[in-house]
Amino acid sequence: EDKVVQSPLSLVVHEGDTVTLNCSYEVTNFRSLLWYKQEKKAPTFLFMLTSSGIEKKSGRLSSILDKKELFSILNITATQTGDSAVYLCAVVSRVNAGGTSYGKLTFGQGTILTVHP
Amino acid sequence: SAVISQKPSRDICQRGTSLTIQCQVDSQVTMMFWYRQQPGQSLTLIATANQGSEATYESGFVIDKFPISRPNLTFSTLTVSNMSPEDSSIYLCSVQTGLAGPRDNEQFFGPGTRLTVL
Repeated sequence: EDKVVQSPLSLVVHEGDTVTLNCSYEVTNFRSLLWYKQEKKAPTFLFMLTSSGIEKKSGRLSSILDKKELFSILNITATQTGDSAVYLCAVVSRVNAGGTSYGKLTFGQGTILTVHP
Repeated sequence: SAVISQKPSRDICQRGTSLTIQCQVDSQVTMMFWYRQQPGQSLTLIATANQGSEATYESGFVIDKFPISRPNLTFSTLTVSNMSPEDSSIYLCSVQTGLAGPRDNEQFFGPGTRLTVL
């Protein structure tokens, strides 16, 4: 059974701190790893990682994947109160069903990040 | 990315009733997915809806409880049947845009439906 584990489960920091969120996985037919930010209901897409060692960056956020060790990290530098959210890691595995091939997401438990002023 | 809307955004229902949630996408997509997120939990896939074929349900979810329709490439519904308080969750639909190449696994989520069952 596919498995995705995130750590820590929760994190409380002050504005300006740098945080590192971890995601490890065990899946068959790995295709990619996705990071999402969830503030209210809908997760919003942050990054998709497919290849090892290539850092993806978007402003103060960056992420990297290690396919040999089966993990990914999400870094947030100079945190702001607006970064407070649940950060979800999901791994995409390729599934064939009913003659159609598609990517199935397995989510980790999420990391609850709270940034205090 | 795709623009996804869900209706209703929230509802409070009585035990034993059923609720149908609608998901509309602004473009044609191959695959649509329905997830449940129980309070304090992560997202769990309920089923995958491919247009023109029966939905594929994950372990622990059955068609009688969560019937799904996928009449065309832009629309799907999920019904939560014979509800109990344990069905209180956020229900989310997502789509895979099916773009060829390295982005073909990106999934985008609708705004969600917050369901409370009394």
